[in-house]
Amino acid sequence: QQQVKQSPQSLIVQKGGISIINCAYENTAFDYFPWYQQFPGKGPALLIAIRPDVSEKKEGRFTISFNKSAKQFSLHIMDSQPGDSATYFCAARAAGFNKFYFGSGTKLNVKP
Amino acid sequence: NAGVTQTPKFQVLKTGQSMTLQCAQDMNHEYMSWYRQDPGMGLRLIHYSVGAGITDQGEVPNGYNVSRSTTEDFPLRLLSAAPSQTSVYFCASSYGGSLLEQYFGPGTRLTVT
Repeated sequence: QQQVKQSPQSLIVQKGGISIINCAYENTAFDYFPWYQQFPGKGPALLIAIRPDVSEKKEGRFTISFNKSAKQFSLHIMDSQPGDSATYFCAARAAGFNKFYFGSGTKLNVKP
Repeated sequence: NAGVTQTPKFQVLKTGQSMTLQCAQDMNHEYMSWYRQDPGMGLRLIHYSVGAGITDQGEVPNGYNVSRSTTEDFPLRLLSAAPSQTSVYFCASSYGGSLLEQYFGPGTRLTVT
C-alpha cells in the first residue's frame, strides 16, 4: 500500500497557467515533505521542501501548501513555462529515520 | 565535485545472473540509499545506509544485498536476477541530521530477460 498518494498522474497546462499537483499521506510520523523534479534520462532533483510546522513555503514560482489536519500537501507552479515540463514527485520522510516514501509521480506538459 | 556517480548506465542480464551496481559520492555524505523506479510506482526504497558499516532494509529489499565499507561507496548486488527486477535504479546521498536534501545519481537502466 502506497504511503504517499499523488494526483493527477498527468497534467497539461498552457504556458503562463498554474500547475497544481496534490499529495496525501496517512502516517503522522512523517516530518519532512520534499518535491522532486525529474527530466527524462536524469535523476530526480530537489525542487522545494517543507516541514509540518509551516503551512506554506514559496521559492520563486514554486509554492508548497501544507494542510496538517487533512494530511495533504500540494505543489503550485505559477506562470508555468515549457521548461517546467518534467515529472514531479512528492515524498515524505519518517521522523527519526532516513527512509523516504515517494508518490507515484505526475508528468507535467506545459504547452507553448 | 562529481556528486553521485553510478555505473553502468545500462545493463542487460539473463535470468539467474548476478551483478553489482556501483554507486559512489564525493560529498562526504553519511546517508546513502538505493531506489528503483518503475512506471506508475514512483521511487521505492530498496536499502539504505546511515554510515559506513550500517545498512538497513527499505520497502522492497528482497533479491538485493548491500554493504557499506567506506563513506564513499554503496554497491547494490543482485544475487539472482529475475525479470521483475527490470527497472531503473537510482542511488542517492545526503548529509543526514537536519540536512535532508537527497542528491541523486543519473541512474542505471537494468533489463532482465
